Amino acid sequence: ILNVEQSPQSLHVQEGDSTNFTCSFPSSNFYALHWYRWETAKSPEALFVMTLNGDEKKKGRISATLNTKEGYSYLYIKGSQPEDSATYLCAFRRYSTLTFGKGTMLLVSP
Amino acid sequence: DAGVIQSPRHEVTEMGQEVTLRCKPISGHDYLFWYRQTMMRGLELLIYFNNNVPIDDSGMPEDRFSAKMPNASFSTLKIQPSEPRDSAVYFCASSLGGQGIRNTEAFFGQGTRLTVV
Repeated sequence: ILNVEQSPQSLHVQEGDSTNFTCSFPSSNFYALHWYRWETAKSPEALFVMTLNGDEKKKGRISATLNTKEGYSYLYIKGSQPEDSATYLCAFRRYSTLTFGKGTMLLVSP
Repeated sequence: DAGVIQSPRHEVTEMGQEVTLRCKPISGHDYLFWYRQTMMRGLELLIYFNNNVPIDDSGMPEDRFSAKMPNASFSTLKIQPSEPRDSAVYFCASSLGGQGIRNTEAFFGQGTRLTVV
């Protein structure tokens, strides 16, 4: 059983705050690490796919880093906005399958 | 492309009834995944197919659950008989495989919210 852990489970910040979450995963047989953004009543949407140790990806105010040797990835949101409120999922890819963490639920208050 | 299409969006059924969930993957995708979302367990992989062939069904909770993929554009997940503890949101996702699988994201449908009363 692959263990993908995310922390914190939930987070409540004020508009303008910067925040970050953690995803930890097995460091062996690594293929890729995915980050998804999941808004209530919608389907999860891919943010980043990361494959190389030391990878850094950025999309607007959201960025992510990857450490495959120690098995963790960080997702950063700079200057959070209410529209960033969602659940952020990471998923570990080994071979064909994606194993998801339980997500970090982010609420950004105006 | 319209993306991954699931039907129905919502299903309410009585305990003991048969439930069939449907999924149409993105055209050209050769992997199809069925996930179940619950508060307790998060997003769990139930089964996945490659080129219409079931590869790993170890996540299927018990014999009451079955899944088929008769062709590249259609899959079903059936629960018979259904029980209240099956209530959850069921997601279907598809992706490309092959050489590019490392970089390939999975595309999700909108999910089917199942309530068994």
